[in-house]
Amino acid sequence: KNQVEQSPQSLIILEGKNCTLQCNYTVSPFSNLRWYKQDTGRGPVSLTIMTFSENTKSNGRYTATLDADTKQSSLHITASQLSDSASYICVVSATYAGKSTFGDGTTLTVKP
Amino acid sequence: NAGVMQNPRHLVRRRGQEARLRCSPMKGHSHVYWYRQLPEEGLKFMVYLQKENIIDESGMPKERFSAEFPKEGPSILRIQQVVRGDSAAYFCASSQAGVDTIYFGEGSWLTVV
Repeated sequence: KNQVEQSPQSLIILEGKNCTLQCNYTVSPFSNLRWYKQDTGRGPVSLTIMTFSENTKSNGRYTATLDADTKQSSLHITASQLSDSASYICVVSATYAGKSTFGDGTTLTVKP
Repeated sequence: NAGVMQNPRHLVRRRGQEARLRCSPMKGHSHVYWYRQLPEEGLKFMVYLQKENIIDESGMPKERFSAEFPKEGPSILRIQQVVRGDSAAYFCASSQAGVDTIYFGEGSWLTVV
């Protein structure tokens, strides 16, 4: 069964600090992994997308890594800002047309 | 994100009424997905459609819920005889192909009173 598990479930950090969110998956055969940011009351917005051959991808202060061997991904946020407070969702797609598998998300709260 | 248009953004229905949620995908996208998000929970897949076809409806409740994506016009998620437990945010998303990046709309918030 395809599954995506994210940790931690929630995280509170101080403004300016770094943090790392984890995503483990069992989706097979793997096609790509995406990280989304969902602000409260809004739709998710894509941050990064990585295929099998990519180990790391950055988008501003967001850096995603992928280890296809261990089926793990992380999202590192550098120098956090208050606007980073949101839910971060890991989404993994298999190499066939169909629905992607969503993690339940990590809720990040950045405090001043 | 702004390319996927959902309406209404907020909808209030009394128990037993019908709710219709509409979704216009991004230009050039022929794949549409519907997800439900209950308060304090993650996104849950409901249904995946291509033009005029339902590809995967494994996440749809067996009764009262239906979805369509006609040749012309938006995709429609219909909930008949709504109950309080249907209160949730319903997100539509679209992609060019099944494994491409999925772009989300801003959601439709259904409240059943």
